[in-house]
Amino acid sequence: GESVGLHLPTLSVQEGDNSIINCAYSNSASDYFIWYKQESGKGPQFIIDIRSNMDKRQGQRVTVLLNKTVKHLSLQIAATQPGDSAVYFCAENSENRDDKIIFGKGTRLHILP
Amino acid sequence: DAMVIQNPRYQVTQFGKPVTLSCSQTLNHNVMYWYQQKSSQAPKLLFHYYDKDFNNEADTPDNFQSRRPNTSFCFLDIRSPGLGDAAMYLCATSRVGVVTEAFFGQGTRLTVV
Repeated sequence: GESVGLHLPTLSVQEGDNSIINCAYSNSASDYFIWYKQESGKGPQFIIDIRSNMDKRQGQRVTVLLNKTVKHLSLQIAATQPGDSAVYFCAENSENRDDKIIFGKGTRLHILP
Repeated sequence: DAMVIQNPRYQVTQFGKPVTLSCSQTLNHNVMYWYQQKSSQAPKLLFHYYDKDFNNEADTPDNFQSRRPNTSFCFLDIRSPGLGDAAMYLCATSRVGVVTEAFFGQGTRLTVV
């Protein structure tokens, strides 16, 4: 079965506010956790990843936090924009599973004007 | 410029009639993946190649086959499509050492009638 999953299927956020998308995982052997964004009618697009020995990683307007104690992963998007509307998937990769990227369930992010 | 190209974007096939979906890449990546994505669900890995080494997922039905004649091209063959095989099929590539950052095509939406 899937080793990653999401708490909420839909998140609505006011434009300009920060968004926090959460993900729970069960595979303690995962080496990387990854966030992908999928816009309507398109394939998923890589956003950011974090190695399992890290707690935090920042990108452009995004931050990923990893809490291994409670097996929780989050994606924070600063100053949410209309272009951030999409479905966000967390995913994982384990070196002992070679090159596989396994996706969890998605969260749809709605941006309110 | 598109780097992972899937053809066609939309494919309609008859129940039980073999169908082939194609994927090409200009990235020269070692790894190529085929995912199946049904409506409002996460992409599900069917199989992937590391160069010519084929890796099938344990729960991928025998009805699904794949070919990778060279680095640039990969094909998904569905031998006898059923109504339950209607889905978006996504091709992706990644580079060894950076497997978390997969590049996806726009997908082929398969309809079975």
